[in-house]
Amino acid sequence: EVQLVESGGGLVQPGGSLRLSCAASGFTFSNYWMSWVRQAPGKGLEWVANIKQDGNRKYYVDSVKDRFTISRDNAKNSLYLQMNTLRVEDTAVYYCARWGSGYEVPQNWGQGTLVTVSS
Amino acid sequence: DIVLTQTPLSSPVILGQPASISCRSSQSLVHSDGNTYLSWLQQRPGQPPRVLIYKISNRFSGVPDRFSGSGAGTDFTLRISRVEAEDVGVYYCMEATHFPPYTFGQGTKLEIK
Repeated sequence: EVQLVESGGGLVQPGGSLRLSCAASGFTFSNYWMSWVRQAPGKGLEWVANIKQDGNRKYYVDSVKDRFTISRDNAKNSLYLQMNTLRVEDTAVYYCARWGSGYEVPQNWGQGTLVTVSS
Repeated sequence: DIVLTQTPLSSPVILGQPASISCRSSQSLVHSDGNTYLSWLQQRPGQPPRVLIYKISNRFSGVPDRFSGSGAGTDFTLRISRVEAEDVGVYYCMEATHFPPYTFGQGTKLEIK
């Protein structure tokens, strides 16, 4: 069974940093693109970033470019999101997702971790 | 960037009756490889999203056959043939043809009347 478990969320002040982690199990992690998708409280879904199987290709939504960095450690079956210079508008539940190549959609999702940016 | 517009934003439905949600794209979603990467996701209250439909009309593993997708180019529809109580939630269309970014519609809330 595919399992994705996010951690690392919490309360941070504007301008601060946070690192999210996602522990993957139940599938061969190194074979899949991975994604971060976020959802602000009471709002819709927003794709944040994708990373290729070997970590050599990464894509970001414009609003987080130069502030967020997606990375992965295939030996540890883990996905990360380093978030710097956080803004109030980054407040959201952040979901880790396994990308379904061929389907071209996030096919498996974690339960999410809440990031709150507030003074 | 692509804009996906869903209608209606809220849909009160009687149990056992059909429901449909429309998703209109600001540009054609036909990819250069010939596929159309338009998906539908369901988010039940308090849950992460899950995939219902991919590439317009293909049901994902485990999705009941009362869910169906159709459309082409810029206009797409998700239909539920007979709404059940467990179908309550928010439904999103998503396109992956013109990435980055991948774009979601604003969501349609399905509720029981």
